[in-house]
Amino acid sequence: LAKTTQPISMDSYEGQEVNITCSHNNIATNDYITWYQQFPSQGPRFIIQGYKTKVTNEVASLFIPADRKSSTLSLPRVSLSDTAVYYCLVGPWDTPLVFGKGTRLSVIA
Amino acid sequence: DAGVIQSPRHEVTEMGQEVTLRCKPISGHDYLFWYRQTMMRGLELLIYFNNNVPIDDSGMPEDRFSAKMPNASFSTLKIQPSEPRDSAVYFCASSPRDNSKQYFGPGTRLTVL
Repeated sequence: LAKTTQPISMDSYEGQEVNITCSHNNIATNDYITWYQQFPSQGPRFIIQGYKTKVTNEVASLFIPADRKSSTLSLPRVSLSDTAVYYCLVGPWDTPLVFGKGTRLSVIA
Repeated sequence: DAGVIQSPRHEVTEMGQEVTLRCKPISGHDYLFWYRQTMMRGLELLIYFNNNVPIDDSGMPEDRFSAKMPNASFSTLKIQPSEPRDSAVYFCASSPRDNSKQYFGPGTRLTVL
């Protein structure tokens, strides 16, 4: 599985756009990029998934450059309720993904 | 759908006792995963099943841990005997057709005294 590197923590003020970048230099051709969100005392929750270019849903956007060696999760206008740990996972459909330490996002009023 | 259901939500037991954690996956999901989460080690995959068959149990820490899935709607994770270092939050997750989009349960917080 591709190794991922993401910041340990980030702080943001309410209303700002937050971008969390994940590096995955050894991503394979059949690997997808998946992001999960985990609130305190809850299980992780799937946010978004992509293979290349840009993916957008009601929660976030995922930007993937042409070389796919990194990806950026973008959260528009964060609120206090977006305080959570965000995990970047890379791997193929048929292999369980490995959760790293994630990025702890703290949103400040 | 009610989502993935886990029971109990909290378990406090004494060292040496048997602990059984239960999980009901989302109906129609083919995959079931058991994870353990601690501050030190993060979220670790213990074992996963496909259509009730264990596929990979390489994450199970030792022989004290066992997992079963007797049917498509029920799975158990058993620890016998339990030790204080087993204290963690145990999550069950299910997935409809692949390993990437998983739906997690609320977890069971296990404390072994």
